[in-house]
Amino acid sequence: NAGVMQNPRHLVRRRGQEARLRCSPMKGHSHVYWYRQLPEEGLKFMVYLQKENIIDESGMPKERFSAEFPKEGPSILRIQQVVRGDSAAYFCASSPEAQSSYEQYFGPGTRLTVT
Amino acid sequence: GIQVEQSPPDLILQEGANSTLRCNFSDSVNNLQWFHQNPWGQLINLFYIPSGTKQNGRLSATTVATERYSLLYISSSQTTDSGVYFCAAGRGGMRFGAGTRLTVKP
Repeated sequence: NAGVMQNPRHLVRRRGQEARLRCSPMKGHSHVYWYRQLPEEGLKFMVYLQKENIIDESGMPKERFSAEFPKEGPSILRIQQVVRGDSAAYFCASSPEAQSSYEQYFGPGTRLTVT
Repeated sequence: GIQVEQSPPDLILQEGANSTLRCNFSDSVNNLQWFHQNPWGQLINLFYIPSGTKQNGRLSATTVATERYSLLYISSSQTTDSGVYFCAAGRGGMRFGAGTRLTVKP
């Protein structure tokens, strides 16, 4: 059973470009979470999604950031018009469909560098 | 929202020593996890422990949910234990503590 997969692992964008980060949850998982880790800081919750629904987006910046988890395919975190301050590691996690356990399984992260 | 505080922020040990890391959280949670982030940035899941006690080799953890704290014990520390240890807790999206940076010296 493959773990949580994220791609790309490293992404370089120039200021003003768009960044798209992908997350494929573990098999049988229908809950996806995105977290951001700025350099030398801890992880901050961004958004919690189920298939086709945003459950909690209280940690998402109000502008330029959006997330989706369609019925088919991976979850996408989209950052429009990137700025240098968006440079960070973005981690995705997933948890099972049946909420007998709330454990979250983390992917390896995508390192975004904005030049 | 839920607040998560970790202590101590930094810890330096000699190889072979034992240590205890603490995590306090401000509200009831259905998820509490401990992670080790290695020097390459990878998050290693150590324990899923919303309540009770678990052990895995030299590591063990205890969460007292009614008193809203969790402890991570590391025994006979090794240089490979160095890195940052995070506690995270929540209902849905988790809130992370600021971490404990552990340095184990040979």
